[in-house]
Amino acid sequence: GQQLNQSPQSMFIQEGEDVSMNCTSSSIFNTWLWYKQDPGEGPVLLIALYKAGELTSNGRLTAQFGITRKDSFLNISASIPSDVGIYFCAGVMDSNYQLIWGAGTKLIIKP
Amino acid sequence: ETGVTQTPRHLVMGMTNKKSLKCEQHLGHNAMYWYKQSAKKPLELMFVYNFKEQTENNSVPSRFSPECPNSSHLFLHLHTLQPEDSALYLCASSQGRQGQSPLHFGNGTRLTVT
Repeated sequence: GQQLNQSPQSMFIQEGEDVSMNCTSSSIFNTWLWYKQDPGEGPVLLIALYKAGELTSNGRLTAQFGITRKDSFLNISASIPSDVGIYFCAGVMDSNYQLIWGAGTKLIIKP
Repeated sequence: ETGVTQTPRHLVMGMTNKKSLKCEQHLGHNAMYWYKQSAKKPLELMFVYNFKEQTENNSVPSRFSPECPNSSHLFLHLHTLQPEDSALYLCASSQGRQGQSPLHFGNGTRLTVT
């Protein structure tokens, strides 16, 4: 089936550091979504992107829809302890509107 | 109560047991979904219901049986499960199709099959 390659799989960072993660595919997407899952909870939508090249922010989070429509990235600036969790990308395929998920990036903040 | 509510939060069952997972959404959405989440893997879509009608079944084994009595409630009936079925089962809802409307997830049922 179709796949999204999400990287890195996990990140160990210090509080205050910036974080960057991305998703890539060989397929073209018309929508990119970034979700966060806190421990013991379901994923929650952070940012939705609908147009190639679009750059959208939500507080300290910034995400971009790649110009080739095959990738997206998420940046978190000045990380804080509550940023820990698993971040998922998801893309809507242009060909059949199927929603495809990445395997997640687990963010851990070193004490 | 708002959002998507799933019960129970945790479930341990033997391979010969029969149990059911319940999901209720208070958002007035038309579509509901069951997803399976295993560690370090993408979310796996299992079933989709639109206006109570099943519109998608992603080759899920028959030991998983969904039921959607109305647009607000969704069940997943489990019987003769295997240990590899142990996972977090997430329910979600959306106003329109999942590719067109954001998904709202419940907190999941952590299932352990012994």
